[in-house]
Amino acid sequence: QVQLQQSGPGLVKPSQTLSLTCVISGDSVSSNSAAWNWIRQSPSRGLEWLGRTYYQSRWYNEDALSVKSRITIKPDTSKNQFSLQLDSVTPEDTAVYYCVRGHSHSFGWYFDLWGRGTLVTVSS
Amino acid sequence: QSVLTQPPSVSGAPGQRVTISCTGSSSNIGANYDVHWYQQLPGTVPKLLIYGNYNRPSGVPDRFSGSKSGTSASLAIIGLQAEDEADYYCQSYDNSLSGYVFGTGTKVTVL
Repeated sequence: QVQLQQSGPGLVKPSQTLSLTCVISGDSVSSNSAAWNWIRQSPSRGLEWLGRTYYQSRWYNEDALSVKSRITIKPDTSKNQFSLQLDSVTPEDTAVYYCVRGHSHSFGWYFDLWGRGTLVTVSS
Repeated sequence: QSVLTQPPSVSGAPGQRVTISCTGSSSNIGANYDVHWYQQLPGTVPKLLIYGNYNRPSGVPDRFSGSKSGTSASLAIIGLQAEDEADYYCQSYDNSLSGYVFGTGTKVTVL
């Protein structure tokens, strides 16, 4: 059974870096048929895709324009996990953060497996 | 923020049919990108309900069906049940944003 186990602090101070990790069991971060995403959810912004990393002969990273200058998503093949770093956070970054597996379909990707979510609050 | 528009709420009695619309534009649904649907029960994580416009993952009841036409898509629940009370979200790709986008979400209430 494939599972995604998230970890990371629930409280981050403004201007600091938000860091989360997602450990994959039952699948591989190097899979040629999956992408590994971070998605967040807040009452004000709804569900928001942040970015992804995936391997298809080489590693690719794609990030949402809204966070492009602040986000880093990295795979770690030695630990079969991937991570999120979001720099210079503000209270607007307060949300539940999910790590999510994506699969390709004919014309686009869908998200078929979600981690349990981590509530991250940005506050001093 | 969301580029896919859904009605905030729909409701129906048990056994009735309800439909949720997802309205996009020429840079997402209208550009022939697939639409996918998710169900989020209270206090839980989103769950894939429909992928590729109309396909149901294993285990999803056949009372859920999806369709797509032009710049819009729809999710129908035929034979509404109490356990269907949840939030529902559509999702697609937007080529002007170069990223994946979600709908505004619809709360389904079973009367």
